[in-house]
Amino acid sequence: EAGVVQSPRYKIIEKKQPVAFWCNPISGHNTLYWYLQNLGQGPELLIRYENEEAVDDSQLPKDRFSAERLKGVDSTLKIQPAELGDSAVYLCASSPGMGELNEQFFGPGTRLTVL
Amino acid sequence: GQNIDQPTEMTATEGAIVQINCTYQTSGFNGLFWYQQHAGEAPTFLSYNVLDGLEEKGRFSSFLSRSKGYSYLLLKELQMKDSASYLCAVLKSGGYQKVTFGIGTKLQVIP
Repeated sequence: EAGVVQSPRYKIIEKKQPVAFWCNPISGHNTLYWYLQNLGQGPELLIRYENEEAVDDSQLPKDRFSAERLKGVDSTLKIQPAELGDSAVYLCASSPGMGELNEQFFGPGTRLTVL
Repeated sequence: GQNIDQPTEMTATEGAIVQINCTYQTSGFNGLFWYQQHAGEAPTFLSYNVLDGLEEKGRFSSFLSRSKGYSYLLLKELQMKDSASYLCAVLKSGGYQKVTFGIGTKLQVIP
């Protein structure tokens, strides 16, 4: 069974440029998460989807960040415009479904560097 | 909000036993996870505790005391490959259960 797939693995951009990250969760997993992880810190939730519905986006900086999960499968996270402080690893995770105890399965992450 | 505290770094010797502690303060507690994260890699699930007591899984065990807001991860017979960060994460109940991660404990295993 394939794991959570993310692309790109690495991205280097200049500040004020847009950037997008893509995630394909494990097949059949209804719940999808986007996390931000800074060096030496734990993952911080940005947004959580149950199928195509964003059920928790309270930590998403909506002035510059957006996300979508059309059709409730793969998802895209966008930053526009990027700032220096956005440099971090962006992790995508999935779990089987709402209401169950679900361990999260993480993708390898996208390491973003904003210059 | 939630407060999750764990040591930032620990060092232990190959073959030894190490205990990584995690304390938390939260309302609506519904369980605690431990994840392992090797440098530059994604976190991987180790354990989940919701009831008080010890859960053993091979060389790794996890303990929970709900009344004390305390958990620990016990690693036995340490191997060099156990060098990684260990993340404590608290599950909060609600319509959509929410997981909050601690900062992680970076464990270095030395020969």
